[in-house]
Amino acid sequence: GDSVTQMEGPVTLSEEAFLTINCTYTATGYPSLFWYVQYPGEGLQLLLKATKADDKGSNKGFEATYRKETTSFHLEKGSVQVSDSAVYFCAPSPGGTSYGKLTFGQGTILTVHP
Amino acid sequence: NAGVTQTPKFQVLKTGQSMTLQCAQDMNHEYMSWYRQDPGMGLRLIHYSVGAGITDQGEVPNGYNVSRSTTEDFPLRLLSAAPSQTSVYFCASSYWARPELPGDEQFFGPGTRLTVL
Repeated sequence: GDSVTQMEGPVTLSEEAFLTINCTYTATGYPSLFWYVQYPGEGLQLLLKATKADDKGSNKGFEATYRKETTSFHLEKGSVQVSDSAVYFCAPSPGGTSYGKLTFGQGTILTVHP
Repeated sequence: NAGVTQTPKFQVLKTGQSMTLQCAQDMNHEYMSWYRQDPGMGLRLIHYSVGAGITDQGEVPNGYNVSRSTTEDFPLRLLSAAPSQTSVYFCASSYWARPELPGDEQFFGPGTRLTVL
């Protein structure tokens, strides 16, 4: 079945540090790829997405590039802020035989200190 | 639009009790799903629906029932609660044009925190 391997946390950084959270996946066909973010006490919300190979999704200073050859969608930010402290989830969204059965990564807890 | 709404926000049950977690969306989405979130486990899919009258099992369906009589509503029923069902439950919905295409962004509700004693 489809699966997601996400960089284990927790990750602790100082403000303005560089962030990378790795994500690789196995999926049927060519899924759309998503990063979701969950702030404390809230539900998940979309951070960014990419729908085809070599697409770069970006939002709030975060970026991720759809790498078909390595089946990866790593999340990066050049300078993190305290307000970025949250849990981040990688999620491919395939169709075809995997239609409906979505798989999320286990989540990476990010804490940013002033 | 209210988006995805869930009730209740918090619930405490005793072992063996039954209850229904409510979920509704006003975006006319075909796809709806239920997840549970446990520490260190991420989100695990319980049940999902690709339209009214159509439901299917996800990764962890045991102990839960669902039905989808309307596009808007997708309730999750616990028939006999167990302590192992203590978790945070999220409902989500999305637009999904055709099965052969990848899925679109999911919209999540605020969650229901359930404790089973």
